[in-house]
Amino acid sequence: AQSVTQLGSHVSVSEGALVLLRCNYSSSVPPYLFWYVQYPNQGLQLLLKYTTGATLVKGINGFEAEFKKSETSFHLTKPSAHMSDAAEYFCAVSDENTNAGKSTFGDGTTLTVKP
Amino acid sequence: DGGITQSPKYLFRKEGQNVTLSCEQNLNHDAMYWYRQDPGQGLRLIYYSQIVNDFQKGDIAEGYSVSREKKESFPLTVTSAQKNPTAFYLCASKAQGHQPQHFGDGTRLSIL
Repeated sequence: AQSVTQLGSHVSVSEGALVLLRCNYSSSVPPYLFWYVQYPNQGLQLLLKYTTGATLVKGINGFEAEFKKSETSFHLTKPSAHMSDAAEYFCAVSDENTNAGKSTFGDGTTLTVKP
Repeated sequence: DGGITQSPKYLFRKEGQNVTLSCEQNLNHDAMYWYRQDPGQGLRLIYYSQIVNDFQKGDIAEGYSVSREKKESFPLTVTSAQKNPTAFYLCASKAQGHQPQHFGDGTRLSIL
């Protein structure tokens, strides 16, 4: 069974500082990985996705993530945090072959950006 | 613009009452999903459907029911058997293959 672990339910950074949100996964087959962002009282929006190919994936709003198979990780980074980045972030793994199109989501990380 | 529409945005349920949450998509996606979100618990899958007239239970289906009579629509009924229905409910859809899910803006259900 696949699973996703997001280390740190809350992360706080200063405006302009590096953002690092951690995600580790487990999957018995090559994973397909996603990061989503959720603003208060809204649904989730896709930030970026890894399917195959280049392991460094660039997304919207300056975010990027690197797929590291040896570490089973897919950490999300942004070089310089902006106040508008404050939100909840979810990492997810999708295994189309065995889970009928379902995704497994991590518990989320709330990002706070201090002025 | 294509997307997913959930309605209503806020819903109140009286004890013993069934309520239905609407989810409509115009993305031509085959698969649709319902999730429940509680504070600090991430998303939990209630039901999903990969094709019209077929659906499967997710991890927390007890006290809920769904139908999938049209490709565009996947309503969720929260029955009186669901003793703790207060939560934020999210609907999503997905194209075939290794694609991300597209989410609606959610319905917040509370108990009167």
